[in-house]
Amino acid sequence: NAGVTQTPKFRVLKTGQSMTLLCAQDMNHEYMYWYRQDPGMGLRLIHYSVGEGTTAKGEVPDGYNVSRLKKQNFLLGLESAAPSQTSVYFCASSQQGGYTFGSGTRLTVV
Amino acid sequence: QQQVKQSPQSLIVQKGGISIINCAYENTAFDYFPWYQQFPGKGPALLIAIRPDVSEKKEGRFTISFNKSAKQFSLHIMDSQPGDSATYFCAASKPGGYNKLIFGAGTRLAVHP
Repeated sequence: NAGVTQTPKFRVLKTGQSMTLLCAQDMNHEYMYWYRQDPGMGLRLIHYSVGEGTTAKGEVPDGYNVSRLKKQNFLLGLESAAPSQTSVYFCASSQQGGYTFGSGTRLTVV
Repeated sequence: QQQVKQSPQSLIVQKGGISIINCAYENTAFDYFPWYQQFPGKGPALLIAIRPDVSEKKEGRFTISFNKSAKQFSLHIMDSQPGDSATYFCAASKPGGYNKLIFGAGTRLAVHP
């Protein structure tokens, strides 16, 4: 039972480059979320999805785009990376109640 | 706008002691209050959760105390162990909000042997 799988685990980008973070869940959960974690700031919601084909903005959506073409996958894209996007990114899924988180992607933008 | 305020930022406890982490919230519409535990290099994992119809919930050594009138809730870890050393996050969500969680800033707990 894999739960929530995130790829890649680590990535270094140059300013202006683009990339996509992949999140896959095998629990048939309707809801999926992307959070970023920064020291002293907890986890902040970037975007979320309440079902296949739907996405919505969270607390800090600027500079990010998302897609949920399949129920099990939720993609987070950075079109033009900036140093301010250096962070640890977590994907989570839920049906009701508690989240199941992935193990995170540590992204550094230089 | 910090809707969930968590304190302290860090905590050192001796083995066998009680660890207490506090959270305060602003939005009275919140109706679900979970605590998450995170070890280095891992994602947060649900530890225990409470809804406002009860004032306390206990699971093993972990207890949530909830004070609806004060808009506060806390996590108590009894008989703290070195293996409890982790970062703890409180969170809150409201009904009809697609289960979106608002997290506190986190508390780094170190339990010394």
